[in-house]
Amino acid sequence: ETGVTQTPRHLVMGMTNKKSLKCEQHLGHNAMYWYKQSAKKPLELMFVYSLEERVENNSVPSRFSPECPNSSHLFLHLHTLQPEDSALYLCASSQATGLGQPQHFGDGTRLSIL
Amino acid sequence: LAKTTQPISMDSYEGQEVNITCSHNNIATNDYITWYQQFPSQGPRFIIQGYKTKVTNEVASLFIPADRKSSTLSLPRVSLSDTAVYYCLVANDYKLSFGAGTTVTVRA
Repeated sequence: ETGVTQTPRHLVMGMTNKKSLKCEQHLGHNAMYWYKQSAKKPLELMFVYSLEERVENNSVPSRFSPECPNSSHLFLHLHTLQPEDSALYLCASSQATGLGQPQHFGDGTRLSIL
Repeated sequence: LAKTTQPISMDSYEGQEVNITCSHNNIATNDYITWYQQFPSQGPRFIIQGYKTKVTNEVASLFIPADRKSSTLSLPRVSLSDTAVYYCLVANDYKLSFGAGTTVTVRA
């Protein structure tokens, strides 16, 4: 139990579908993150939120849309994805975004695009 | 971001101590050194973090020499369940560069 819960754990969707990934942290942290981990590739930082404000958008295609309604919840809305978007999507949280604060990760959502 | 270099893989046996050295020659003054562990299909798990000298917790020790250009993660008496990928990261903010990590395989 990491204190960061992601749902669903697995998701299969067609390229024309719309779905959302959910992340909830129970650690009282103020920063939340979305990462993408493709097979045989390092983790890629996608989005960063600090106190519910987006502070980083790492050139992510607009078919990925994040939402942070409060400091405990983070969503990633997906629409018209491509096959290359199949990957493990990881959510993380940290106390703050500075001073190399350790990040606590969920176990991810395994996304498969048909 | 400071670049890190660590071995691609290491093999060990149960009960042995495993030491993974990470090189970070261009580490900045305000950078911290952090190690994570990742099992297949799971998110990385924070293991230990340090700035200088030695840090120890219930699962590992982190040795950092005075020049801070390298660091060594020490895992005492490993078991089969310690088989995982271990990442060394150097950063002073949220921008973590995970790299390929070191795949540690523990054999019986």
